[in-house]
Amino acid sequence: EVQLVESGGGLVRPGESLRLSCVASGVNFSSDEMNWVRQAPGKGLEWVSYISSGGSPTYYADSVRGRFTVSRDNSKNSLFLQMNNLRAEDTALYYCVRTYATGSYYDAWGQGTLVTVSS
Amino acid sequence: SYVLTQPPSVSVAPGQTARITCGADNIRSKSVHWYQQKPGQAPVLVVYNDGDRPSGIPERFSGSNSGNTATLTVSRVEAGDEADYYCQLWDSIIDRGVFGTGTKVTVL
Repeated sequence: EVQLVESGGGLVRPGESLRLSCVASGVNFSSDEMNWVRQAPGKGLEWVSYISSGGSPTYYADSVRGRFTVSRDNSKNSLFLQMNNLRAEDTALYYCVRTYATGSYYDAWGQGTLVTVSS
Repeated sequence: SYVLTQPPSVSVAPGQTARITCGADNIRSKSVHWYQQKPGQAPVLVVYNDGDRPSGIPERFSGSNSGNTATLTVSRVEAGDEADYYCQLWDSIIDRGVFGTGTKVTVL
């Protein structure tokens, strides 16, 4: 059974940084393409970033490009999201999500880690 | 780029059929996927590639995609189908994931 477990969320001030992690089990992680998807409190889903199985290419939503960096360590079945210069509008539950194939559907989701940006 | 428009809410009586639309210009040229999200839970894929169902999803869930509208149909609606539903596609022109605005389905 696929299991994705996120961690690293918390309360930070505007302009600060945070690094999210996601550990995968029950999957062939090194072959999986991964995404981060977020959901602001009471709002809809927003795609944030994509990374291929080998680490490149990567893609970003316009709202985070230049501030967020996605990476992975296939030897540790881990996905990361480095978030810099955080803004209040980045406050959300961040989900680690597996995609079946490039540009395809999201077939496995973690339970999310909450990031709150507030002064 | 794609903007996927969904009705904010749909209400349906138990046993009836709920239809949730997802609109965008020429959406029929893309593969559309649908997710169900219940309160406090992560989304779950219910339909992929316009009309295919993952294993474990009841046959009551079906999808179609034509013209400028993709549709998720839930037949014989049950109380447990009450949730938020989101459509999604990949915009391959600009390499971005896109989610619809979401529809809250209420079972009367």
